[in-house]
Amino acid sequence: KAGVTQTPRYLIKTRGQQVTLSCSPISGHRSVSWYQQTPGQGLQFLFEYFSETQRNKGNFPGRFSGRQFSNSRSEMNVSTLELGDSALYLCASSWPGQGGYGTKNIQYFGAGTRLSVL
Amino acid sequence: DQQVKQNSPSLSVQEGRISILNCDYTNSMFDYFLWYKKYPAEGPTFLISISSIKDKNEDGRFTVFLNKSAKHLSLHIVPSQPGDSAVYFCAASGTQANAGGTSYGKLTFGQGTILTVHP
Repeated sequence: KAGVTQTPRYLIKTRGQQVTLSCSPISGHRSVSWYQQTPGQGLQFLFEYFSETQRNKGNFPGRFSGRQFSNSRSEMNVSTLELGDSALYLCASSWPGQGGYGTKNIQYFGAGTRLSVL
Repeated sequence: DQQVKQNSPSLSVQEGRISILNCDYTNSMFDYFLWYKKYPAEGPTFLISISSIKDKNEDGRFTVFLNKSAKHLSLHIVPSQPGDSAVYFCAASGTQANAGGTSYGKLTFGQGTILTVHP
């Protein structure tokens, strides 16, 4: 079974531009969560989508947005990029729809998109 | 406010010995805990998890212990192997009811511990 796929793997943008990152979850998974990893702040939760609905949102400015499509694929968008947005952006999928307590909580991560803002 | 803390930035262990990685949390609403392993430039890989109704979960060389009264969990790796060298993150989640439905998908991570296993 294919894992979580994120594209592109690397991206270089300049301040003020916008960027869209893509995530394809594991087949059958319906929940997609996004995280930002930076050296200073570690791994921080951005948002979670399930069945095309945002179910949870982290403490990030409105420049960070996302969406999920009917096939569970997800995109996140960052507008008006700032230098501090340089980070590894990780997508994780979960909810295989079977199993006992806690199975829903196991998230499987993609390799990430490394975004550099110049 | 760091709700999940890994107080040891690094740990060095000899091959064949036990590695013990520790994690503390402050939020009583967390009810599920996970350990991930991460190599540079890769996403975290799930290792093992435990729900708050248990105090121990074992999977091969990996065992996770949960002490709810102390809000502490630990990961034991026995025996340690050089291939275990990586950054280890503990993470916690809790059920959260929001306008969009019940959320299970927010993980709160610790800062990570770099494990080095020497041959």
